[in-house]
Amino acid sequence: RKEVEQDPGPFNVPEGATVAFNCTYSNSASQSFFWYRQDCRKEPKLLMSVYSSGNEDGRFTAQLNRASQYISLLIRDSKLSDSATYLCAVNTIKAAGNKLTFGGGTRVLVKP
Amino acid sequence: DTEVTQTPKHLVMGMTNKKSLKCEQHMGHRAMYWYKQKAKKPPELMFVYSYEKLSINESVPSRFSPECPNSSLLNLHLHALQPEDSALYLCASSQDTQGSNTEAFFGQGTRLTVV
Repeated sequence: RKEVEQDPGPFNVPEGATVAFNCTYSNSASQSFFWYRQDCRKEPKLLMSVYSSGNEDGRFTAQLNRASQYISLLIRDSKLSDSATYLCAVNTIKAAGNKLTFGGGTRVLVKP
Repeated sequence: DTEVTQTPKHLVMGMTNKKSLKCEQHMGHRAMYWYKQKAKKPPELMFVYSYEKLSINESVPSRFSPECPNSSLLNLHLHALQPEDSALYLCASSQDTQGSNTEAFFGQGTRLTVV
């Protein structure tokens, strides 16, 4: 089983609609969680950290469910510019040090 | 300012060449990372430096040799690469590797082609 897994999509979303997707992680010792956005042939850009209480940044809401070992990202009022690949990242304690591991990414296509 | 600068942006090298990738950050971050990303795949961790010491090597072949000259700089020395090593090489930094300071910020990457 992969350490961090995502539905690859694509999620085809009408402009203005809401889309949500999850990311599951296998190591219960994982400490911190992040969502990144990556555009084609660009570097990943940090979208938001995910806190235990959940957090919201404008149209984006992230949730963490430690019991079921997944995080989620919800995008409201989708814009064409939200089309991208969304990568979740999980920081896990290893013997040699902490390690940030990425999921395979979820592709989102927002269409007019 | 959350800027990580990588040079060069593009690199084409032969299998017998020696080249180096460079990464610089001035955010006072004490953890720096090298990732490799192939097309349509997620970034894969190669090395982690914490407080200028190598803390994680993800069983990377010795033809890749990292170096951290100081807390702001991270290099990746390349020698005798194979065509399958062609990829986007991403540098990242974070304030620390533990606790709540592990948000990693990425440079624009070096797109490497081995011929």
